[in-house]
Amino acid sequence: QKEVEQNSGPLSVPEGAIASLNCTYSDRGSQSFFWYRQYSGKSPELIMSIYSNGDKEDGRFTAQLNKASQYVSLLIRDSQPSDSATYLCAGYSGAGSYQLTFGKGTKLSVIP
Amino acid sequence: GAVVSQHPSWVICKSGTSVKIECRSLDFQATTMFWYRQFPKQSLMLMATSNEGSKATYEQGVEKDKFLINHASLTLSTLTVTSAHPEDSSFYICSAREVLGTDTQYFGPGTRLTVL
Repeated sequence: QKEVEQNSGPLSVPEGAIASLNCTYSDRGSQSFFWYRQYSGKSPELIMSIYSNGDKEDGRFTAQLNKASQYVSLLIRDSQPSDSATYLCAGYSGAGSYQLTFGKGTKLSVIP
Repeated sequence: GAVVSQHPSWVICKSGTSVKIECRSLDFQATTMFWYRQFPKQSLMLMATSNEGSKATYEQGVEKDKFLINHASLTLSTLTVTSAHPEDSSFYICSAREVLGTDTQYFGPGTRLTVL
């Protein structure tokens, strides 16, 4: 069974610090990974996608993928109170299966 | 960017009635759409996968006769909750997968259903 594991948190960081969110996955066939942000009472919003080993940067966000270790992470630099949300890691194999497997999410609190 | 809309954003209905929720991809074509349900403080739960022009595939434990899904075009899928009961009250969210490009799923804003 495909699984995506995340630390549920809550993760608290002070404003301006780097928030590090981690995710591991069990399916070695997984090719595509996504980070979604979900505010309370709202639907998930795509933050980053990553498909290749290494880092991918977009503004204050950096996604990291290590397929050998089956590990995905999201770094948020200069964290802001508005970044406080639940962050969902998701992946799928892409081999004809387009169902995302989600982690349970990590709740991030950025303290002013 | 890719935008997915849902209508209505919230609905209150009486027990025993049916409710239809629409999911539209506004600026891209979506061969596949997904329907999720989320209870308070819980994870997203995939209910079904909807492919344009064919029958939906339901996850284990989801009653297909209760949650009717129709995906008649590349931009529209509907979920009908039939004979709704209070335990069906939840946050229903759809997502749509782009036909071309990165296989990214974009989520709609969700529909909050309250059954009295």
